[in-house]
Amino acid sequence: DAGVTQSPTHLIKTRGQQVTLRCSPKSGHDTVSWYQQALGQGPQFIFQYYEEEERQRGNFPDRFSGHQFPNYSSELNVNALLLGDSALYLCASSQDRGPFNYGYTFGSGTRLTVV
Amino acid sequence: AQSVTQLGSHVSVSEGALVLLRCNYSSSVPPYLFWYVQYPNQGLQLLLKYTSAATLVKGINGFEAEFKKSETSFHLTKPSAHMSDAAEYFCAVSSPSGGYQKVTFGIGTKLQVIP
Repeated sequence: DAGVTQSPTHLIKTRGQQVTLRCSPKSGHDTVSWYQQALGQGPQFIFQYYEEEERQRGNFPDRFSGHQFPNYSSELNVNALLLGDSALYLCASSQDRGPFNYGYTFGSGTRLTVV
Repeated sequence: AQSVTQLGSHVSVSEGALVLLRCNYSSSVPPYLFWYVQYPNQGLQLLLKYTSAATLVKGINGFEAEFKKSETSFHLTKPSAHMSDAAEYFCAVSSPSGGYQKVTFGIGTKLQVIP
């Protein structure tokens, strides 16, 4: 049973460019959450998608946007990249159970470097 | 509002010694609590979770944690450290927010195991 798959694994972009990261959730999971993990920090919540809609959003600017497809896979888009966007971007999938989280399954992440 | 505090960003133990990683939480409602482990260049893996059942929770790789409401703590322990336990450990809290799940991670504790 495949877990969470993220692509690409590594990416180098120039300031001002745009980037798209992709995530396929674990089989049976319908909710996808995206996290940013800067070096030496814990994961910071970006947003969560369920039924192709953004359901919750963390404290990130509008340059960060996303999408969820009918097959539950998801994309994270970042426009006008800044040096500070360099981080590990983690996709986490779960099965929706309303207001309770019973644990995430994480992908291995995409390491984004902005130069 | 909810938050997680992990005391000690780095912890060193000798192989075979007790592992104790500390986590205190803040939540306005009864929370669910989690410990995740992250190996270098990988995503997070769920170690164990507390979901309001037994207060002593056993997880994978011999780890366990005890939920203490009076102390708002959820410390992670393992009786005897192995070299393979060297990794970064994250405590997380989940509680309902606006009808949906909100998950907040701590900044992590890096565990070093000395041979």
